[in-house]
Amino acid sequence: GDSVTQMEGPVTLSEEAFLTINCTYTATGYPSLFWYVQYPGEGLQLLLKATKADDKGSNKGFEATYRKETTSFHLEKGSVQVSDSAVYFCALRGAGNQFYFGTGTSLTVIP
Amino acid sequence: GAVVSQHPSWVICKSGTSVKIECRSLDFQATTMFWYRQFPKQSLMLMATSNEGSKATYEQGVEKDKFLINHASLTLSTLTVTSAHPEDSSFYICSARGGSVTNEKLFFGSGTQLSVL
Repeated sequence: GDSVTQMEGPVTLSEEAFLTINCTYTATGYPSLFWYVQYPGEGLQLLLKATKADDKGSNKGFEATYRKETTSFHLEKGSVQVSDSAVYFCALRGAGNQFYFGTGTSLTVIP
Repeated sequence: GAVVSQHPSWVICKSGTSVKIECRSLDFQATTMFWYRQFPKQSLMLMATSNEGSKATYEQGVEKDKFLINHASLTLSTLTVTSAHPEDSSFYICSARGGSVTNEKLFFGSGTQLSVL
């Protein structure tokens, strides 16, 4: 079945460091891929998405490219800020419109 | 933007009691809401899909008599964990489907941490 495997955390980075959170998926057909973020005390929010191969989703300095050949959708940011501290979830929406989530990666950015 | 309010944020209860979790879409009508559960270090798992005015559709392995879902209006869905036991301790989160037909979005509540003693 469809599934998402996400890099385990927690991740701790210094401000302005480069961030990569790995995400790979298994799916039949052509899923849409998403990154969601949950800031402390808030609900999950859509960070970015890509709906087909080679699409790049971007938002708030974060980027992720839909790589069909490696079945990956790694999240990257060139220079993290303290305000980026949150839990990040990789997800896919499969053929049946059902969402499958990764385990979440907690990011803490220290000044 | 669209907001989904989920209450309570956390609840501690004794084994054998029932707990109700509410999920409200504050500024849009949600014909479909989803309930997820996350055990520590595991993925968010879909428990059930609820459609307003009809019975919820449960995922395989989820006991419908234990996890009662009611979606009586377009803005409110509730999950009741009946006769809760320690193994039901988990993080529960709801989401509501909104947006347009061409730009459908999922909006999530902030989650409920349930601890059963």
